[in-house]
Amino acid sequence: DGGITQSPKYLFRKEGQNVTLSCEQNLNHDAMYWYRQDPGQGLRLIYYSQIVNDFQKGDIAEGYSVSREKKESFPLTVTSAQKNPTAFYLCASGSGRASGTYNEQFFGPGTRLTVL
Amino acid sequence: AQTVTQSQPEMSVQEAETVTLSCTYDTSESDYYLFWYKQPPSRQMILVIRQEAYKQQNATENRFSVNFQKAAKSFSLKISDSQLGDAAMYFCAYRTESGGNTPLVFGKGTRLSVIA
Repeated sequence: DGGITQSPKYLFRKEGQNVTLSCEQNLNHDAMYWYRQDPGQGLRLIYYSQIVNDFQKGDIAEGYSVSREKKESFPLTVTSAQKNPTAFYLCASGSGRASGTYNEQFFGPGTRLTVL
Repeated sequence: AQTVTQSQPEMSVQEAETVTLSCTYDTSESDYYLFWYKQPPSRQMILVIRQEAYKQQNATENRFSVNFQKAAKSFSLKISDSQLGDAAMYFCAYRTESGGNTPLVFGKGTRLSVIA
């Protein structure tokens, strides 16, 4: 089945450690996105990529890094510079209007990151 | 920058009744897309309904319909014949039509409870 997978589902990090969250899609979408969800805050954009080997910072990019070496993969690294990384992280992908999906974004199941 | 406001942090509705969730947005653009996403306790984001700004007709999807007032920049969601499975967080989201696969801008969400 086509879709978006995120791993792991739960992730625990010690203070000062970098961790990488995986996001893979087999929908052949050009664009991929990372959002962070905190209670009462909605979803906030961390990074997004409209094409392979290119990405842009979102509203809360500090302390995070990404790469987009393959169309189907968009991993997110949470670095030790991120002061408060405990949150729920959602990855999404989307295609252009020509595909008929009206710029809809499809979401993965999310990763819950907890800092110990 | 565009902003999306959901003024009702929590709402409740009796089973089989109708409820309306409010959403307003701020933009200087004339072409854009609006979405309502549902996030049940599983935390999987599910697209409920979408609206293109150039369309005057309000979108409907079974028991879900919107009241799109472009001049007022309002995009409310009406859920008819509410069911227990409708209980979830609901997010209103905006997306510009220009610039390719741009990210979504989300409101902070409305938590809907359905009372049996």
